[in-house]
Amino acid sequence: EDKVVQSPLSLVVHEGDTVTLNCSYEVTNFRSLLWYKQEKKAPTFLFMLTSSGIEKKSGRLSSILDKKELFSILNITATQTGDSAVYLCAVERSARQLTFGSGTQLTVLP
Amino acid sequence: DTAVSQTPKYLVTQMGNDKSIKCEQNLGHDTMYWYKQDSKKFLKIMFSYNNKELIINETVPNRFSPKSPDKAHLNLHINSLELGDSAVYFCASNRKGANTEAFFGQGTRLTVV
Repeated sequence: EDKVVQSPLSLVVHEGDTVTLNCSYEVTNFRSLLWYKQEKKAPTFLFMLTSSGIEKKSGRLSSILDKKELFSILNITATQTGDSAVYLCAVERSARQLTFGSGTQLTVLP
Repeated sequence: DTAVSQTPKYLVTQMGNDKSIKCEQNLGHDTMYWYKQDSKKFLKIMFSYNNKELIINETVPNRFSPKSPDKAHLNLHINSLELGDSAVYFCASNRKGANTEAFFGQGTRLTVV
Protein backbone atom coordinates (compact mmCIF):
# COMPACT_ATOMS: atom_id res chain seq x y z
CA GLU A 1 0.00 0.00 0.00
CA ASP A 2 1.27 3.46 -0.87
CA LYS A 3 2.48 5.44 2.09
CA VAL A 4 3.42 9.07 2.66
CA VAL A 5 4.77 10.09 6.06
CA GLN A 6 5.34 13.66 7.09
CA SER A 7 7.30 14.92 10.04
CA PRO A 8 7.06 16.60 12.37
CA LEU A 9 3.30 16.46 12.84
CA SER A 10 3.35 19.92 14.34
CA LEU A 11 5.87 22.68 14.77
CA VAL A 12 5.81 25.97 16.65
CA VAL A 13 8.42 28.60 15.82
CA HIS A 14 8.90 32.35 16.10
CA GLU A 15 8.92 34.81 13.26
CA GLY A 16 12.24 34.88 11.51
CA ASP A 17 13.07 31.25 12.20
CA THR A 18 13.85 28.79 9.43
CA VAL A 19 11.91 25.54 9.30
CA THR A 20 12.38 22.28 7.46
CA LEU A 21 9.45 19.98 6.85
CA ASN A 22 10.01 16.38 5.88
CA CYS A 23 8.12 13.98 3.66
CA SER A 24 9.09 10.35 3.06
CA TYR A 25 7.21 8.02 0.79
CA GLU A 26 6.76 4.52 -0.50
CA VAL A 27 4.73 4.39 -3.65
CA THR A 28 4.56 2.29 -6.77
CA ASN A 29 4.87 3.92 -10.17
CA PHE A 30 6.07 7.24 -8.80
CA ARG A 31 5.36 10.19 -11.03
CA SER A 32 5.86 13.30 -8.90
CA LEU A 33 5.75 14.73 -5.41
CA LEU A 34 3.66 17.77 -4.62
CA TRP A 35 3.61 20.21 -1.74
CA TYR A 36 0.47 22.11 -0.75
CA LYS A 37 -0.22 24.76 1.86
CA GLN A 38 -3.59 24.33 3.49
CA GLU A 39 -5.32 27.09 5.37
CA LYS A 40 -9.05 27.43 5.62
CA LYS A 41 -10.20 26.25 2.27
CA ALA A 42 -8.64 24.50 -0.67
CA PRO A 43 -4.97 23.63 -0.38
CA THR A 44 -2.73 26.00 -2.28
CA PHE A 45 -0.33 24.34 -4.65
CA LEU A 46 3.31 25.12 -3.88
CA PHE A 47 5.64 22.83 -5.80
CA MET A 48 5.76 19.80 -7.98
CA LEU A 49 8.99 17.80 -7.97
CA THR A 50 9.84 15.10 -10.43
CA SER A 51 13.63 14.99 -10.56
CA SER A 52 16.11 14.32 -7.80
CA GLY A 53 18.44 17.03 -6.62
CA ILE A 54 16.85 19.96 -8.40
CA GLU A 55 15.72 22.61 -5.98
CA LYS A 56 12.49 24.42 -6.63
CA LYS A 57 12.27 27.88 -5.15
CA SER A 58 9.51 30.40 -4.67
CA GLY A 59 10.36 33.38 -2.50
CA ARG A 60 11.18 32.15 0.98
CA LEU A 61 10.05 28.61 0.18
CA SER A 62 12.17 25.95 -1.42
CA SER A 63 11.92 22.22 -1.87
CA ILE A 64 14.02 19.35 -3.08
CA LEU A 65 13.42 15.71 -3.86
CA ASP A 66 15.64 12.67 -3.32
CA LYS A 67 14.27 9.79 -5.36
CA LYS A 68 16.95 7.40 -4.19
CA GLU A 69 16.19 7.88 -0.49
CA LEU A 70 12.49 8.51 -1.20
CA PHE A 71 12.00 11.78 0.58
CA SER A 72 11.51 15.46 0.07
CA ILE A 73 12.00 18.52 2.25
CA LEU A 74 10.25 21.85 2.25
CA ASN A 75 12.24 24.76 3.66
CA ILE A 76 10.78 28.06 4.75
CA THR A 77 13.23 30.80 5.66
CA ALA A 78 12.51 33.96 7.65
CA THR A 79 9.09 32.64 8.64
CA GLN A 80 6.16 34.99 9.05
CA THR A 81 2.88 34.59 10.90
CA GLY A 82 1.18 34.22 7.52
CA ASP A 83 3.11 31.01 6.99
CA SER A 84 1.04 29.36 9.72
CA ALA A 85 -0.85 26.55 8.04
CA VAL A 86 -0.86 22.83 7.47
CA TYR A 87 1.64 21.77 4.85
CA LEU A 88 0.64 18.71 2.90
CA CYS A 89 2.90 16.44 0.93
CA ALA A 90 1.33 14.24 -1.73
CA VAL A 91 2.85 11.70 -4.05
CA GLU A 92 1.42 11.23 -7.49
CA ARG A 93 1.39 7.87 -9.17
CA SER A 94 1.49 7.37 -12.88
CA ALA A 95 -2.30 7.20 -12.92
CA ARG A 96 -2.38 10.75 -11.53
CA GLN A 97 -3.80 9.62 -8.24
CA LEU A 98 -2.39 11.23 -5.13
CA THR A 99 -1.56 9.79 -1.77
CA PHE A 100 -1.49 12.52 0.83
CA GLY A 101 0.53 12.62 4.00
CA SER A 102 -1.16 13.65 7.22
CA GLY A 103 0.37 17.09 7.06
CA THR A 104 2.63 19.19 9.27
CA GLN A 105 0.87 21.88 11.23
CA LEU A 106 3.14 24.92 11.37
CA THR A 107 2.45 27.72 13.81
CA VAL A 108 4.54 30.87 13.56
CA LEU A 109 4.35 33.09 16.62
CA PRO A 110 4.98 36.84 16.40
CA ASP B 1 -7.46 1.07 7.14
CA THR B 2 -8.28 3.70 4.58
CA ALA B 3 -9.57 6.86 6.20
CA VAL B 4 -11.14 8.41 3.10
CA SER B 5 -11.90 6.11 0.19
CA GLN B 6 -13.20 6.92 -3.24
CA THR B 7 -14.61 4.67 -5.89
CA PRO B 8 -14.02 4.12 -8.66
CA LYS B 9 -10.34 5.00 -9.04
CA TYR B 10 -10.71 5.35 -12.78
CA LEU B 11 -13.75 6.23 -14.82
CA VAL B 12 -13.87 6.48 -18.59
CA THR B 13 -17.18 7.50 -20.06
CA GLN B 14 -18.73 9.13 -23.07
CA MET B 15 -19.95 12.67 -23.39
CA GLY B 16 -23.51 13.13 -22.35
CA ASN B 17 -23.54 10.30 -19.82
CA ASP B 18 -24.44 10.66 -16.16
CA LYS B 19 -21.99 9.25 -13.64
CA SER B 20 -21.36 9.13 -9.90
CA ILE B 21 -18.24 8.99 -7.80
CA LYS B 22 -18.57 7.67 -4.28
CA CYS B 23 -16.71 8.81 -1.20
CA GLU B 24 -16.70 7.34 2.26
CA GLN B 25 -14.82 8.38 5.39
CA ASN B 26 -14.45 6.33 8.56
CA LEU B 27 -13.00 9.10 10.69
CA GLY B 28 -16.21 10.31 12.25
CA HIS B 29 -15.75 13.69 10.61
CA ASP B 30 -18.64 16.07 10.21
CA THR B 31 -17.62 17.86 7.06
CA MET B 32 -16.78 16.47 3.65
CA TYR B 33 -15.51 18.11 0.50
CA TRP B 34 -15.09 17.58 -3.19
CA TYR B 35 -12.15 19.08 -5.06
CA LYS B 36 -11.23 19.13 -8.72
CA GLN B 37 -7.56 19.05 -9.64
CA ASP B 38 -6.71 20.90 -12.80
CA SER B 39 -3.92 20.19 -15.24
CA LYS B 40 -1.60 22.50 -13.32
CA LYS B 41 -2.10 20.50 -10.12
CA PHE B 42 -4.19 23.18 -8.46
CA LEU B 43 -6.98 21.92 -6.26
CA LYS B 44 -10.25 23.79 -6.64
CA ILE B 45 -12.94 23.28 -4.08
CA MET B 46 -16.30 22.33 -5.50
CA PHE B 47 -18.45 21.64 -2.45
CA SER B 48 -18.24 21.45 1.29
CA TYR B 49 -21.03 19.72 3.16
CA ASN B 50 -22.02 18.81 6.66
CA ASN B 51 -25.34 17.72 8.03
CA LYS B 52 -26.75 21.18 7.99
CA GLU B 53 -25.04 23.14 5.34
CA LEU B 54 -24.05 22.72 1.75
CA ILE B 55 -21.66 25.31 0.42
CA ILE B 56 -21.28 25.35 -3.30
CA ASN B 57 -18.52 27.03 -5.19
CA GLU B 58 -20.46 29.27 -7.52
CA THR B 59 -18.20 28.44 -10.43
CA VAL B 60 -19.26 24.79 -10.37
CA PRO B 61 -21.82 23.97 -13.09
CA ASN B 62 -25.16 22.75 -11.81
CA ARG B 63 -24.56 19.50 -13.66
CA PHE B 64 -22.52 18.61 -10.58
CA SER B 65 -24.40 17.74 -7.42
CA PRO B 66 -23.34 16.22 -4.11
CA LYS B 67 -25.49 13.62 -2.44
CA SER B 68 -24.97 12.62 1.18
CA PRO B 69 -26.95 9.58 2.34
CA ASP B 70 -25.32 9.84 5.78
CA LYS B 71 -22.48 11.60 7.58
CA ALA B 72 -19.87 9.15 6.38
CA HIS B 73 -20.64 9.48 2.67
CA LEU B 74 -20.62 12.26 0.13
CA ASN B 75 -21.13 11.15 -3.44
CA LEU B 76 -20.61 13.31 -6.48
CA HIS B 77 -23.13 13.07 -9.30
CA ILE B 78 -22.36 14.52 -12.67
CA ASN B 79 -25.00 14.84 -15.36
CA SER B 80 -24.46 15.31 -19.08
CA LEU B 81 -20.71 14.88 -18.89
CA GLU B 82 -18.56 17.14 -21.05
CA LEU B 83 -15.02 16.76 -22.30
CA GLY B 84 -13.87 19.53 -19.97
CA ASP B 85 -14.99 17.53 -16.98
CA SER B 86 -12.00 15.24 -17.47
CA ALA B 87 -9.83 15.66 -14.37
CA VAL B 88 -8.94 14.02 -11.12
CA TYR B 89 -11.53 14.53 -8.39
CA PHE B 90 -10.62 14.34 -4.72
CA CYS B 91 -12.84 13.81 -1.74
CA ALA B 92 -11.76 15.00 1.70
CA SER B 93 -13.12 15.29 5.21
CA ASN B 94 -12.38 17.04 8.48
CA ARG B 95 -14.00 17.94 11.76
CA LYS B 96 -16.65 20.60 11.66
CA GLY B 97 -15.22 24.00 12.39
CA ALA B 98 -11.66 22.81 12.27
CA ASN B 99 -9.42 25.09 10.29
CA THR B 100 -6.70 22.55 10.02
CA GLU B 101 -5.99 19.63 7.83
CA ALA B 102 -8.44 17.64 5.84
CA PHE B 103 -7.87 13.99 5.05
CA PHE B 104 -7.93 13.23 1.36
CA GLY B 105 -8.96 10.27 -0.69
CA GLN B 106 -6.65 9.07 -3.44
CA GLY B 107 -8.67 10.60 -6.20
CA THR B 108 -10.81 9.45 -9.09
CA ARG B 109 -9.45 9.98 -12.55
CA LEU B 110 -12.36 10.84 -14.81
CA THR B 111 -11.87 10.75 -18.56
CA VAL B 112 -14.68 11.88 -20.80
CA VAL B 113 -14.38 10.80 -24.42
